[in-house]
Amino acid sequence: AQSVTQLDSQVPVFEEAPVELRCNYSSSVSVYLFWYVQYPNQGLQLLLKYLSGSTLVKGINGFEAEFNKSQTSFHLRKPSVHISDTAEYFCAVTKGAQKLVFGQGTRLTINP
Amino acid sequence: GAVVSQHPSRVICKSGTSVKIECRSLDFQATTMFWYRQFPKQSLMLMATSNEGSKATYEQGVEKDKFLINHASLTLSTLTVASAHPEDSSFYICSAGVGGDYEQYFGPGTRLTVT
Repeated sequence: AQSVTQLDSQVPVFEEAPVELRCNYSSSVSVYLFWYVQYPNQGLQLLLKYLSGSTLVKGINGFEAEFNKSQTSFHLRKPSVHISDTAEYFCAVTKGAQKLVFGQGTRLTINP
Repeated sequence: GAVVSQHPSRVICKSGTSVKIECRSLDFQATTMFWYRQFPKQSLMLMATSNEGSKATYEQGVEKDKFLINHASLTLSTLTVASAHPEDSSFYICSAGVGGDYEQYFGPGTRLTVT
């Protein structure tokens, strides 16, 4: 069975600083990987996804992620964060049939 | 495109009553819809997967007689919490998928509070 581990439950960062949110997955088969963002009391919004091809994936709001098969990781990065990036971020994996398995979430807090 | 709505966004009900939550895909036809439950400061837990016109597939530990799912059309799925109790209070989120597309489109969620 697949599982997803987000190594940091909370990440505080100063505004305009770079940030990396870590995600590792375990699966014996090829998977598809996603990062979602959730603002308070809202549903999830897709930031980016990796299905195949280039291992560096660019998403919305200036985020990008790199798929590393040997390390089974899919870390999310942004070179300069803004106050509006404060939210909960979820890494998710599926091996098909659209059934997503989510990580525990990382709360990103941007301090002025 | 790919907008999913949920109604109501917030509901408060008394213990023992039943509550229905609707999930609609507004601008596309969803072959599959998913229902998740999210406790405060926790991740999403998949409750069930439903395909239009067939019975829902429930995840282990989810009571199918308590969480009744109906996927009557390609744009509407409903979740009914039967005889709700305070422990059913949670944030319920639906998502919709299109066959062959691995992406899910999420609704804004429904906060259920059972008193």
